[in-house]
Amino acid sequence: RKEVEQDPGPFNVPEGATVAFNCTYSNSASQSFFWYRQDCRKEPKLLMSVYSSGNEDGRFTAQLNRASQYISLLIRDSKLSDSATYLCVVNRDDKIIFGKGTRLHILP
Amino acid sequence: EPEVTQTPSHQVTQMGQEVILRCVPISNHLYFYWYRQILGQKVEFLVSFYNNEISEKSEIFDDQFSVERPDGSNFTLKIRSTKLEDSAMYFCASIAGEGTEAFFGQGTRLTVV
Repeated sequence: RKEVEQDPGPFNVPEGATVAFNCTYSNSASQSFFWYRQDCRKEPKLLMSVYSSGNEDGRFTAQLNRASQYISLLIRDSKLSDSATYLCVVNRDDKIIFGKGTRLHILP
Repeated sequence: EPEVTQTPSHQVTQMGQEVILRCVPISNHLYFYWYRQILGQKVEFLVSFYNNEISEKSEIFDDQFSVERPDGSNFTLKIRSTKLEDSAMYFCASIAGEGTEAFFGQGTRLTVV
């Protein structure tokens, strides 16, 4: 089983809709959790860190469930510019472990 | 905002040639990484580097690959004898400490012909 798993998609979602991604991780010693966004042929960029209490940044909400070992990302009122690949990233000690990414296409 | 910088942005090389990809991590960061991403595929870990030595490497990071931090600022990835399948984007990343967010450079697109 891969250490970090994501549904690769693609998710094709109409503009204005709400979309949610989940990511599961297998190692309970994982310490920190992040969502990164990657545009085509660009570097991954931090979207948000994920905390146990859940956190929100504008239209984006991230949640962590340590008991079930999954993290989620919710995007409300999606925009065309949200089209990208969303990478679930888990840190354990000095290791940075990537999921394969979930591709999101926002449709006009 | 501090950033990780990589040069060159694009490198074309002939099969069998040596290439050196350069990275300048964020100055107070302690852990450094190289990743590669073949077009359309996932980000793959190559190597991590801490305290002037390799802390972990993947199966991809075979004897053709080496890393150096020669002068306290640059962090280089050398591929000794490039193969066609080495064509990919190579990303450098750094973190300040364990569990902190990773900052990525803009990548070097390596094309082996």
